[in-house]
Amino acid sequence: ETGVTQTPRHLVMGMTNKKSLKCEQHLGHNAMYWYKQSAKKPLELMFVYSLEERVENNSVPSRFSPECPNSSHLFLHLHTLQPEDSALYLCASSQVRGYTGELFFGEGSRLTVL
Amino acid sequence: GENVEQHPSTLSVQEGDSAVIKCTYSDSASNYFPWYKQELGKRPQLIIDIRSNVGEKKDQRIAVTLNKTAKHFSLHITETQPEDSAVYFCAASKGGNTPLVFGKGTRLSVIA
Repeated sequence: ETGVTQTPRHLVMGMTNKKSLKCEQHLGHNAMYWYKQSAKKPLELMFVYSLEERVENNSVPSRFSPECPNSSHLFLHLHTLQPEDSALYLCASSQVRGYTGELFFGEGSRLTVL
Repeated sequence: GENVEQHPSTLSVQEGDSAVIKCTYSDSASNYFPWYKQELGKRPQLIIDIRSNVGEKKDQRIAVTLNKTAKHFSLHITETQPEDSAVYFCAASKGGNTPLVFGKGTRLSVIA
């Protein structure tokens, strides 16, 4: 596997379920990100990890809980979500933290909350 | 904070014609402007970027221009091909630890 891989690609869950999204990067990068992509909206940055330390949390509701056990893996734990949380969740990585270099995205996890 | 507006939201062109997508930004301190392409069901990928010390950058059939005074930048695609059909996102950043702010995207359809 190369690049950034995300699993699962599709997830349907009820509002009371608990699930997790997984991201793995094989690029040797030091920073990883979670973005939310909703229809007709800009990509929204949710969380940033640099060298496994969370450095940014953009006022995301606590029902989203990130975890970065090492520089290659990133998780997004989900519980008691709302239907408006249905979206494509994109993971990305970059060489170093900072926003003037290329972001490498995964293909996303399409989440549907019933 | 930074605000990025992108126009148009949809664009259809005939194969071989040119396509232009425009973005405006609000923070004059922004200095990095990338463009990402997202094909249907695929991941966004960087196609070109420009920094504020440059007015224009070209890579084969794509080019980006930047007008710092007017605070806008544009993506130009010449000799469009069906494989150019995708959603294109612009973004802006002040650099350092300031996140990229993305536009809402432009869905480009190239009609054969």
